[in-house]
Amino acid sequence: RKEVEQDPGPFNVPEGATVAFNCTYSNSASQSFFWYRQDCRKEPKLLMSVYSSGNEDGRFTAQLNRASQYISLLIRDSKLSDSATYLCVVTTGYNTDKLIFGTGTRLQVFP
Amino acid sequence: SQTIHQWPATLVQPVGSPLSLECTVEGTSNPNLYWYRQAAGRGLQLLFYSVGIGQISSEVPQNLSASRPQDRQFILSSKKLLLSDSGFYLCAWGPSYEQYFGPGTRLTVT
Repeated sequence: RKEVEQDPGPFNVPEGATVAFNCTYSNSASQSFFWYRQDCRKEPKLLMSVYSSGNEDGRFTAQLNRASQYISLLIRDSKLSDSATYLCVVTTGYNTDKLIFGTGTRLQVFP
Repeated sequence: SQTIHQWPATLVQPVGSPLSLECTVEGTSNPNLYWYRQAAGRGLQLLFYSVGIGQISSEVPQNLSASRPQDRQFILSSKKLLLSDSGFYLCAWGPSYEQYFGPGTRLTVT
């Protein structure tokens, strides 16, 4: 079983749509969780951290379910510029200096 | 502000040739530094990380090595490249739980 699993997509959605991505992780000792965004042929960039209580940043909402070892990202009112690959990332148990990246979910927003 | 540099941006090398990729960070001291590889259609794989000068941890047995000769310099090397070494190599630095990536080097081994 992969340490971090994501649906690779692609998710093709129209502008203005709401889209949700899910991610599961295998290590119950993981302490920190993140979503990164990676544009085509570019480096990943931190989108947002994921907190146990859930957190929102503008049109983006992240949720964590520790019991189910499940992370989600919700994007509301999708923009063309949201087209990218979204990487689910967790820390490796108690060693919070190392990150494990999922393979990413590709989102394509069309006009 | 902190910036991270990597070069070259792209590289085409024949099998069996040596490799040296350099990464430097500006605007911070004693950063944790990381080398990742992203192969086509695969996720980022952590290759090496370093918490200080001369301190290197290897995550995956492979044909590569890393060195940190200065506080803000991280070098990825190979004596003889394999076809399987092709990929997108990313250097990152991180003060704690967050990592910031350089622009990457796209390596093609032919």
